[in-house]
Parts: sequence; C-alpha cells; structure tokens
Amino acid sequence: QAVVTQETSLTVSPGGTVTLTCGSSTGAVTSGHYPYWIQQKPGQAPRTLIYDTNKGHSWTPARFSGSLLGGKVALTLSGAQPEDEADYYCLLFFGGARVFGGGTKLTVL
Amino acid sequence: EVQLVESGGGLVQPGGSLKLSCAASGFTFSGSAMHWVRQASGKGLEWVARITEKDYNYAIVYAESVKGRFTISRDDSENRAYLQMNSLTVEDTAVYYCRAEAVPAVDNWGHGTLVTVSS
Repeated sequence: QAVVTQETSLTVSPGGTVTLTCGSSTGAVTSGHYPYWIQQKPGQAPRTLIYDTNKGHSWTPARFSGSLLGGKVALTLSGAQPEDEADYYCLLFFGGARVFGGGTKLTVL
Repeated sequence: EVQLVESGGGLVQPGGSLKLSCAASGFTFSGSAMHWVRQASGKGLEWVARITEKDYNYAIVYAESVKGRFTISRDDSENRAYLQMNSLTVEDTAVYYCRAEAVPAVDNWGHGTLVTVSS
C-alpha cells in the first residue's frame, strides 16, 4: 500500500500565506490520483475542502486553493484566519482504494 | 439539510463483531458513493472502505487492514450504508465516520460513532 506524506506541522501568521504539500511513495502525484484536501478542526468531524486537485465546494472559502507542485499536490491558504487552525489531510486515489496522508497540524499564530 | 448519522458503535471484545449503520437524508443517497473512514484517538484519518452507487455497479474496495474482516453494504430503499466488522482487534478501536460523495454537489461527513475493542 502506498504511503502518503505530509508536513507534520506548519505555522502561519494571521493574514499570511502557507502551502501544505502531499507526496506519494509511488512517485509523482498527478491529477489521476484525484487529490482531495480535508479539514478537521479540534473536536469536529472532517470536512472536505478541495477535490480533484483544485476544485472547491460551495462551502470552501476562496482563500483555499489546490494545485500540483513539483511532483506533489499542494493546498495553499492565502490570507490565513484564526478559524483556519486545524488539521489538514490529503487523500489520494490508488486504483480504487484511497489513502490518507498523516495530516498537517496548521497553527495560525 | 444534508445529514449523515452513524450508529451501532460500542464496546466489543477482541474477536467480536459489530455492525455500524449510517442513515442519510437531505440528498440523493442512491446517487452517491459511500465511504467509511476511521480515526483512532489522537491519530489521523484512515480510509476503510467504499461502495459506489448503482450506476457504477455497487463496486466495493477495502483498505488492506480490514480486507476479509469488514463488509460494506448499502440499502438505497432505506437510505442507509452499513459496515459489518468481524474478528475485531484492539487496533480497530476508533471513531468511525461515514462519508457521502457525489461531486460536485455532495461531499458530506457524519459525526462518527465510537468503536472500542477491549477485554
């Protein structure tokens, strides 16, 4: 089974910009992995922010964007807000099965 | 309002069985793929299983960690998804979430049900 890797933790200042990345042990992450980004705030259920690399749902704040970056998939937060402090997980598709990354704890400080 | 409500969690002994249920409302359940995802206390999310909608022949995929022990199913007439869990071990202790997926309109998560495997 593939291993999906993410930064363990990142810190961003309020109003600042931060990029979270997600890689795969099988090689470059592509659009064929149909990358998802899921947000989970403390004590809450997860919520999907981004699907298919860069598509946001109606509830996804415009400050979140997804992209492919140097063989990885990336989630960029531009103009961080205190309420963006959360754990962020990427989810990749591997021929039917899905695999989550270990998650990035984002601190807004 | 889209709602997913999990139930059926509880305390079970190692080697035991449990069946989780996910009741869906507020969206076209029959047109959505359904996933189960779990999270051990203080740990990350782990994808468990998926069943597609009828249009995709109810195709099923499992994570290696549960293959042969867990069975995902659905009843479109009842708007419910299920996860039958057999041969449970302490490593299966987690909050289990169901998730409905029918992009772009539907991608919703329940609030989870706790499964504790302990003697």
